[in-house]
Amino acid sequence: DQQVKQNSPSLSVQEGRISILNCDYTNSMFDYFLWYKKYPAEGPTFLISISSIKDKNEDGRFTVFLNKSAKHLSLHIVPSQPGDSAVYFCAASETYAGNNRKLIWGLGTSLAVNP
Amino acid sequence: DSGVTQTPKHLITATGQRVTLRCSPRSGDLSVYWYQQSLDQGLQFLIQYYNGEERAKGNILERFSAQQFPDLHSELNLSSLELGDSALYFCASSGLANEQFFGPGTRLTVL
Repeated sequence: DQQVKQNSPSLSVQEGRISILNCDYTNSMFDYFLWYKKYPAEGPTFLISISSIKDKNEDGRFTVFLNKSAKHLSLHIVPSQPGDSAVYFCAASETYAGNNRKLIWGLGTSLAVNP
Repeated sequence: DSGVTQTPKHLITATGQRVTLRCSPRSGDLSVYWYQQSLDQGLQFLIQYYNGEERAKGNILERFSAQQFPDLHSELNLSSLELGDSALYFCASSGLANEQFFGPGTRLTVL
């Protein structure tokens, strides 16, 4: 049962345009969401996160939007650059019993930014 | 550089064998997580340790075990290896924040 779904396995955009990566979740207890970027043969790198008490978080070219009623979040990259080409993972976290926390991961979306 | 180190980088072994993967978390991080990424699969959470104690378990097989030592480094032991265990194994660590910081991974190939 996939609690975090990234329904688009791949996405291709032109350099300079907007990239929108989507993520849906099913567990209403998730209270923190993260996006990670992964290059081949490297570990995932934290990109940006958002708490469930917010609906938007922005960091430079990256903005994450959270729609709790729809259980949907999206990552916007503007403008997209060739170096953004990577696999992007959405992850959701549920806090329980103090320091107990685990991330539930989507399967990833492979973004290709074409020059 | 995330500050998380993993050794070895690559490991090639045969079916039925046992291997140990090692992880050193970022300085000050008490939590260590282990993940498996098979071909065409997302990241599968295996297990979490916090300050030496097991805190959460994911899809970890009984043939696999882990531990976190007093110096906070962690080891993932994989035994009776099967061809399907070939994968990238990542370790991550975190402090008080939600973000996890990943090591470069160990690529395990079982022949």
